[in-house]
Amino acid sequence: GAVVSQHPSWVICKSGTSVKIECRSLDFQATTMFWYRQFPKQSLMLMATSNEGSKATYEQGVEKDKFLINHASLTLSTLTVTSAHPEDSSFYICSGLPSGRETQYFGPGTRLLVL
Amino acid sequence: GQQLNQSPQSMFIQEGEDVSMNCTSSSIFNTWLWYKQEPGEGPVLLIALYKAGELTSNGRLTAQFGITRKDSFLNISASIPSDVGIYFCGAGGGADGLTFGKGTHLIIQP
Repeated sequence: GAVVSQHPSWVICKSGTSVKIECRSLDFQATTMFWYRQFPKQSLMLMATSNEGSKATYEQGVEKDKFLINHASLTLSTLTVTSAHPEDSSFYICSGLPSGRETQYFGPGTRLLVL
Repeated sequence: GQQLNQSPQSMFIQEGEDVSMNCTSSSIFNTWLWYKQEPGEGPVLLIALYKAGELTSNGRLTAQFGITRKDSFLNISASIPSDVGIYFCGAGGGADGLTFGKGTHLIIQP
């Protein structure tokens, strides 16, 4: 149980375009989902907390207008990287928090390369 | 922001040796977790700790939640080749996002 999927697993896009990444909890409901970013050989850094039916909470230094988050249902959160630039190239990982639980479960990640 | 100090940064060991890594923080946390991440994949939960002083095992892995709630360690006994990977400590939990350590890169020589 507690399986999280992400789509796509990797994406290459041109600078200036927007990219949408989906995060789904497959066998549980997640009132809260989280989005992390990981640069090569570095740790995961929390970008934002996504709450179903409400606005996301962004960490300091993360632009909410650039990283749009929509948590429309208890099993789906999306992250849209708008007007992507090469410096946005990274590994984006989401996690889901099963309702009433304390432990997050992570998706397999989405590797974004902006040319 | 909050930071976790994880050490060692990397370990080169022989197969069969025991491994020990730890994380410390200047802040108190109510949950400590240990994850393993392999290249190109998301972190996989190994052990979750919810009470100060708690000692929990998962096969050859043992982790403890420090009594001060500011530290945790992970031990791996009798290492095998498939233990290779990057191990992250994480703290926080619940509706709060996790703060991660910088990871311990484990390399095992046969």
